[in-house]
Formats: sequence, structure tokens, C-alpha cells
Amino acid sequence: GESVGLHLPTLSVQEGDNSIINCAYSNSASDYFIWYKQESGKGPQFIIDIRSNMDKRQGQRVTVLLNKTVKHLSLQIAATQPGDSAVYFCADLTGGGNKLTFGTGTQLKVEL
Amino acid sequence: GAVVSQHPSWVICKSGTSVKIECRSLDFQATTMFWYRQFPKQSLMLMATSNEGSKATYEQGVEKDKFLINHASLTLSTLTVTSAHPEDSSFYICSATRQGARGYTFGSGTRLTVV
Repeated sequence: GESVGLHLPTLSVQEGDNSIINCAYSNSASDYFIWYKQESGKGPQFIIDIRSNMDKRQGQRVTVLLNKTVKHLSLQIAATQPGDSAVYFCADLTGGGNKLTFGTGTQLKVEL
Repeated sequence: GAVVSQHPSWVICKSGTSVKIECRSLDFQATTMFWYRQFPKQSLMLMATSNEGSKATYEQGVEKDKFLINHASLTLSTLTVTSAHPEDSSFYICSATRQGARGYTFGSGTRLTVV
């Protein structure tokens, strides 16, 4: 079946730098996307979401960009902090459905 | 708002025994709950979708007789791993959503270790 995938399994950044985590999806019918943060031994935590009728959405220190033409979305974290160290997943939802499909995840490591 | 509680957070059981994991929505009524399994350094894999008052819908490859799901109320779903074996050791996570909402709230997960 179709799936959501990530480009990089591990991303290391210096504290204070900006982080960009990428995600590719294959289902052209996907119309809702969510980024989750998962710390070790915990459940996923909602970060930000975006609908397919938007191409950008901003939150506190985070921005999600959606490019439907190439089926790509990214999560940008400004001024990355040690507390941002975690695994980040993108997930998508297809219109009319209620099952999230998760990508493979990116481990973000923040170096001091 | 939208808090999901999962219990226990970890459990160790002997091979051949059964283990029950509870997932509760604390401040909302969850029309649908989902159960995921996550192996180390891997993504979340959906096991089943649970709707209150009806039978769960299992994903392909998930044994419904081994992973019993009960969603008896709008705030509680349980996953019972029957006749557990070491290969069932994993991190089990539930999530819940409510009617008309597209947001999903996840529980904190249950680490199951079968020895």
C-alpha cells in the first residue's frame, strides 16, 4: 500500500540552529498531515498540522510547509533546543478516512 | 483538554500468559480508538481500529484472536494480548479521536516484555 516516508533517519544540529525535517508522501488523496514528536518511552505528541488547502502553517518555533506538487512536507524548528531532541514523525490522513499513516521517523539530535 | 491515559506503562509477563492494556479518554468521549505497536527504532504500525459498541477492525496480518480489543464505553478501550510470546514484546500505544474531530490524542504507551 501507499505510505508516508522520511528522507533522513538521523539529523544532528547544533543548539540554536534551525532544523528542517523532511517527509515524502505517496498518496495523492492525502488531505491532512500531522507532525508528531516522540520522546523515548513515550507516546507521540502533537506538534502541528496542516490541511491540503494550505501550503504553510506556523506555530510557536515550528513551521510546516506542504508542497502538494511533489508530495513533500517539511517541519522547520527554529532555534533548536536540547529539549527538541526526539524522534519526529509525519503522518497523513486520506479524505474520508480516519486512519493515520505514519512515516518512518527522523531522530533529531541536538548537540550543545 | 483531550487527555488519553494508558495503563500500565510497563508490564513484564511470562510466556503463555495474557496481558490487558487499558486506554482511557479522560476528558472527552472517544468515538474511535486506535491501537498501535511500535518496535525499537521503528515507526508506529496500526493494529486495529476500535469503535464503541462494535467489533474492532484489524489491519492485515494482525491476529484478532491473539489481540483482543474491547471498546465497551466511549471512554475505555482495552487490548488483551493472549498467550503472549517473546516476539509480542513491544511498545503498544493507543490513540483516540472524537466524532467530527480530526485530531488524535495518543496515550503514553505500554512497554510489554514477555519472558
